[in-house]
Amino acid sequence: GDSVTQMEGPVTLSEEAFLTINCTYTATGYPSLFWYVQYPGEGLQLLLKATKADDKGSNKGFEATYRKETTSFHLEKGSVQVSDSAVYFCALSAPSNDYKLSFGAGTTVTVRA
Amino acid sequence: EAGVTQFPSHSVIEKGQTVTLRCDPISGHDNLYWYRRVMGKEIKFLLHFVKESKQDESGMPNNRFLAERTGGTYSTLKVQPAELEDSGVYFCASRRQGKNTEAFFGQGTRLTVV
Repeated sequence: GDSVTQMEGPVTLSEEAFLTINCTYTATGYPSLFWYVQYPGEGLQLLLKATKADDKGSNKGFEATYRKETTSFHLEKGSVQVSDSAVYFCALSAPSNDYKLSFGAGTTVTVRA
Repeated sequence: EAGVTQFPSHSVIEKGQTVTLRCDPISGHDNLYWYRRVMGKEIKFLLHFVKESKQDESGMPNNRFLAERTGGTYSTLKVQPAELEDSGVYFCASRRQGKNTEAFFGQGTRLTVV
């Protein structure tokens, strides 16, 4: 079945550091890929997505590129802020599964001033 | 437009008791999903409604869990009797019908069984 593997945390960074969270997936067909974020005390929010190979999703300075050849969707941000402290989840969905989401385990990121 | 709303935000119950979680999806969203995150692990799919019908309940852990969506509006997830391993955060999401439409999540219900 479909599955997502993402880098284990926790990750602690200083402000303005570079952040990367690795994510790889296994799926049949052509899934859409997502990064969701959960800020402290809040629900899950869609951060960015990509629906086909070589697409790049971007939002709030974060980027991820759908790499079919390496089955990856790594999340990157060039300069993190304290407000980026959150739990980040990589996920996929496909029409063959009625768009139900398969998530990775989540990576807790803490950014220190 | 109101987002997905879940009640309660937190619940602490004793083993053997019953708890009912509620999810109010975004109006007009036919698809409603329940997910659960246990002990800091991955978020796992529980079940999927299309309107009032259960489309897929393959993720329901056992028969102590019962989900309903009467009238195709809000949904409830009842756990009876609750066990310690049911502790976790239960998320609800809703999605408009159509290709690649976005799923919107509620804030989750943190359930603690003691």
